Amino acid sequence: KNQVEQSPQSLIILEGKNCTLQCNYTVSPFSNLKWYKQDTGRGPVSLTIMTFSENTKSNGRYTATLDADTKQSSLHITASQLSDSASYICVVTGSNDYKLSFGAGTTVTVRA
Amino acid sequence: DSGVTQTPKHLITATGQRVTLRCSPRSGDLSVYWYQQSLDQGLQFLIQYYNGEERAKGNILERFSAQQFPDLHSELNLSSLELGDSALYFCASSVGGDRTSPLHFGNGTRLTVT
Repeated sequence: KNQVEQSPQSLIILEGKNCTLQCNYTVSPFSNLKWYKQDTGRGPVSLTIMTFSENTKSNGRYTATLDADTKQSSLHITASQLSDSASYICVVTGSNDYKLSFGAGTTVTVRA
Repeated sequence: DSGVTQTPKHLITATGQRVTLRCSPRSGDLSVYWYQQSLDQGLQFLIQYYNGEERAKGNILERFSAQQFPDLHSELNLSSLELGDSALYFCASSVGGDRTSPLHFGNGTRLTVT
């Protein structure tokens, strides 16, 4: 069973609207959680990195939150743009080893 | 541009063959990671090297092997290729071997096995 589960699998939103993506993980002990954006056919690009003590982190219109107690994270996209259409991947690293656990991603489609 | 260079961009080969994928990390990055992404699948971690030494191993098949050279570039060797090996292979690099450094991904090598 994957240690990182993302939801929804995909979503469609209208340009200018907001949306929130979810990431639940079971990786323990926990080191950090990263969100990446992957455009079709390209390599993922880092959006945010959060360690155990951080609750929220922003990168422009992207805001990530982390609740390490419930092992949940969310990525909020504000005022979506067509260029936000991509797959968003949640990656969790444990503190016992160097392996990264990847979620399957949420595919976001922004329509005009 | 992430600064990570992967070659070739595309590779088409037949079953049973052997191929080598190459990755040049960002200048100054000591860690190199290899990932496999099959069609509509998530990224699967294969292996990580740090400064020439293997640091972590994921779901890498025995038919696959990798190494990191003294100049820090890395190669992923895939042998006895099967149809199911068709995928995008990504290389990523990071400054150190620690867990918090962000990964910088190349744009991948698309391997098609026919």
